[in-house]
Amino acid sequence: QSVLTQPPSASGAPGQRVSISCSGRRNNIGANTVTWFQHLPGTAPRLLIHNNNERPSGVPDRFSGSKSGTSASLVMSGLQSDDEADYYCAAWDDDLNGPVFGGGTTVTVL
Amino acid sequence: QMQLHQRGAGLLQPSETLSLTCSVSGGAFTGYYWTWIRQSPGKTLEWIGEITYTGSTNYNPSLSSRVTMSVDAAKKEFSLNVTSVTAADAAVYYCARCRGAAPPDIWGQGTLVIVS
Repeated sequence: QSVLTQPPSASGAPGQRVSISCSGRRNNIGANTVTWFQHLPGTAPRLLIHNNNERPSGVPDRFSGSKSGTSASLVMSGLQSDDEADYYCAAWDDDLNGPVFGGGTTVTVL
Repeated sequence: QMQLHQRGAGLLQPSETLSLTCSVSGGAFTGYYWTWIRQSPGKTLEWIGEITYTGSTNYNPSLSSRVTMSVDAAKKEFSLNVTSVTAADAAVYYCARCRGAAPPDIWGQGTLVIVS
């Protein structure tokens, strides 16, 4: 059972907008910033968003993140076929004194 | 561009010790928290612990009795040992870099560990 809650799946047609939610608690998302990463099985996870809404260099601006209270969201606009992957949220947990993760959302491009 | 490259045995028998090493290239080794995370077959990600270049450690309490991390700063490597493995320890193990109290920003490619 993952500490952060994400929907197991999301989908959209090419060019559409997809949003993924991530719900936590006061001691993780409520107190710290949220990270999102993209993962293709068999590869190293790739950082998409850190500090709630900041993109590392090389990440397209069609990926955006936001946080409000104990929840966060990742929005992918202009969906492309190579966006098909698993997406995870993560945040530092003050009780664990370590990072906690969502269960992952599999995005399918229809 | 920093990269993390993992090595270690992927097939273990119950009660054996899991040993993995992560080599860091393309960037500084100091100033970060070098982290191990595992992903169960059901995709759940679990933080195992972290170590600094000085050897200071912080382990997940759920695993701390069986986990030891070590570091060789001269070689820019850090290692994970998990003793007395069982089927529940079967997972993909990742090494990663963390900047302070934050989730990882750079990950290794992962090592599939099978316990059988």
